[in-house]
Amino acid sequence: GQQVMQIPQYQHVQEGEDFTTYCNSSTTLSNIQWYKQRPGGHPVFLIQLVKSGEVKKQKRLTFQFGEAKKNSSLHITATQTTDVGTYFCAGRENSGGSNYKLTFGKGTLLTVNP
Amino acid sequence: EPEVTQTPSHQVTQMGQEVILRCVPISNHLYFYWYRQILGQKVEFLVSFYNNEISEKSEIFDDQFSVERPDGSNFTLKIRSTKLEDSAMYFCASTPHRRGGETQYFGPGTRLLVL
Repeated sequence: GQQVMQIPQYQHVQEGEDFTTYCNSSTTLSNIQWYKQRPGGHPVFLIQLVKSGEVKKQKRLTFQFGEAKKNSSLHITATQTTDVGTYFCAGRENSGGSNYKLTFGKGTLLTVNP
Repeated sequence: EPEVTQTPSHQVTQMGQEVILRCVPISNHLYFYWYRQILGQKVEFLVSFYNNEISEKSEIFDDQFSVERPDGSNFTLKIRSTKLEDSAMYFCASTPHRRGGETQYFGPGTRLLVL
């Protein structure tokens, strides 16, 4: 079945440093979503990428979807303590496979030292 | 802003007991989901539900699990005979439209502990 791998598993940065997490799928995706989960909280939707090579920005966050639609990245510029949490990518397989199921990566736990 | 709600927030049960986890999806949403997250691990898809029937389920969702939409608002997950390994956070989610990349709105979760 589809697998979604995410690296790194953990990342500790000093406030102000940049952060990047990478997501790779074993199969081509129809779209990929990114979620943030604060400690003790539930996943909260950040963004969805659909098109090959798509890049989207939300303030200090930049999301990319690879040309082959099998990988994605989330980059945070100048991290703040409010960025602390686990960032999950979640992919939906291309048509012909699952249409309902989101397959989540294991997440990257970001901690920020003030 | 409308939210998905879940009850109870915590549930402790003995192995072999039945539990029912309840969810109230956002009112105009049509697709409903259950996920689980074992402590410290990733979110895992269990089942999706549309038009009063299961549209997809994962290998985790075996005969011990069932879902139901008993009325116009509630969406429940039943585990018939709980096992120790069922201990996890269970999240309900909903989306407004049909498949194809809609944002999934997650509830706050129910933490289930099986002793």
